[in-house]
Amino acid sequence: DGGITQSPKYLFRKEGQNVTLSCEQNLNHDAMYWYRQDPGQGLRLIYYSQIVNDFQKGDIAEGYSVSREKKESFPLTVTSAQKNPTAFYLCASSMFGAGNQPQHFGDGTRLSIL
Amino acid sequence: SQKIEQNSEALNIQEGKTATLTCNYTNYSPAYLQWYRQDPGRGPVFLLLIRENEKEKRKERLKVTFDTTLKQSLFHITASQPADSATYLCALEPPRDNAGNMLTFGGGTRLMVKP
Repeated sequence: DGGITQSPKYLFRKEGQNVTLSCEQNLNHDAMYWYRQDPGQGLRLIYYSQIVNDFQKGDIAEGYSVSREKKESFPLTVTSAQKNPTAFYLCASSMFGAGNQPQHFGDGTRLSIL
Repeated sequence: SQKIEQNSEALNIQEGKTATLTCNYTNYSPAYLQWYRQDPGRGPVFLLLIRENEKEKRKERLKVTFDTTLKQSLFHITASQPADSATYLCALEPPRDNAGNMLTFGGGTRLMVKP
């Protein structure tokens, strides 16, 4: 079945440590997105990528970095510069250039600070 | 920037009744509006999309309305079931001046259907 796989499901970060969240899709979608969700709040866009080797900052990119070396993969690194990383992180994908297409989400990674 | 308001208080209804959730937005009128369902610990799942020139959209027990004058969308679930209990998110597609599929999400409303 086609879909988006996020791993790990739970992740713990120590102070000063960088951690990387994995996101893989086999939907052949061009566009991919990373969101952060805090309790009682909507999804906030961290980074998005419309095509391989290209990505743009979203609303809350500070303290995060991404890469898009393959169409299927869009990993997110939470750096030590992100002082409040505890949140639920969601990866999504959609067809490129089709503005009326829905976004398909993975089941998220919950990141906590040790 | 676009601001989206959904009722942060949970909506509790009895099984068999119609649930109505509200999504209000400010600033520009979106080209599209989408509704998603999110279960605890899971990613959102797409339910319905409605365009700015559509007044109403239906899918099985679901109905979405879009009033660009009131800047409001209503999401209805008829004959509600306990399995409908979840958080429902609305998301807006702004008029695009560049390629892509950017969405702005509301905070969601939690629906609890009691048997």
